[in-house]
Amino acid sequence: EPEVTQTPSHQVTQMGQEVILRCVPISNHLYFYWYRQILGQKVEFLVSFYNNEISEKSEIFDDRFSVERPDGSNFTLKIRSTKLEDSAMYFCASSDRDPYYGYTFGSGTRLTVV
Amino acid sequence: QKEVEQNSGPLSVPEGAIASLNCTYSDRGSQSFFWYRQYSGKSPELIMFIYSNGDKEDGRFTAQLNKASQYVSLLIRDSQPSDSATYLCAAARSGGYQKVTFGTGTKLQVIP
Repeated sequence: EPEVTQTPSHQVTQMGQEVILRCVPISNHLYFYWYRQILGQKVEFLVSFYNNEISEKSEIFDDRFSVERPDGSNFTLKIRSTKLEDSAMYFCASSDRDPYYGYTFGSGTRLTVV
Repeated sequence: QKEVEQNSGPLSVPEGAIASLNCTYSDRGSQSFFWYRQYSGKSPELIMFIYSNGDKEDGRFTAQLNKASQYVSLLIRDSQPSDSATYLCAAARSGGYQKVTFGTGTKLQVIP
């Protein structure tokens, strides 16, 4: 079964540093997303991406966040000037155009900001 | 703020029983509804999606949707210990290519 692959599985960074979280979506999917989940809290939408541009973003996705699809397979989330409150599990997801199947999530990257 | 509300649980059921999980949503523009299962420390896994009023069955799982009451439920028949997980209810305005709003999840414990 096709998978969404995320690397690294765990990233520790110092406050104020930049991190890049990487994702390889399912190959025939067209829509890409980043979500995050702070420990013990709900899964929260960050951003959706289609046709090489952001479709929608949440209030969490401030100027420190950016996304990029640098080639035909990778989808990255960059966080600049990391803060302690950025510590969370970050999930990449992808979907095709059919509206009924929901998302396929990657296994996640646990980001710890110290 | 458009919300999806769930009882956090834990909901404890004996093995072989029916587990009933419930969810309400506030956004009347929501069109598609999803149930995800999340094991501790893992990513959400899609179990069911539903977009029409009524019931939808898939194996041991039945999703129910009542748009008038803004209510979604998930029934798990013949519950197994491996069903023990947190179940996330989610809603989307216009299908799978838009953002999904998740509830906080209901923790289910199936007791052997």
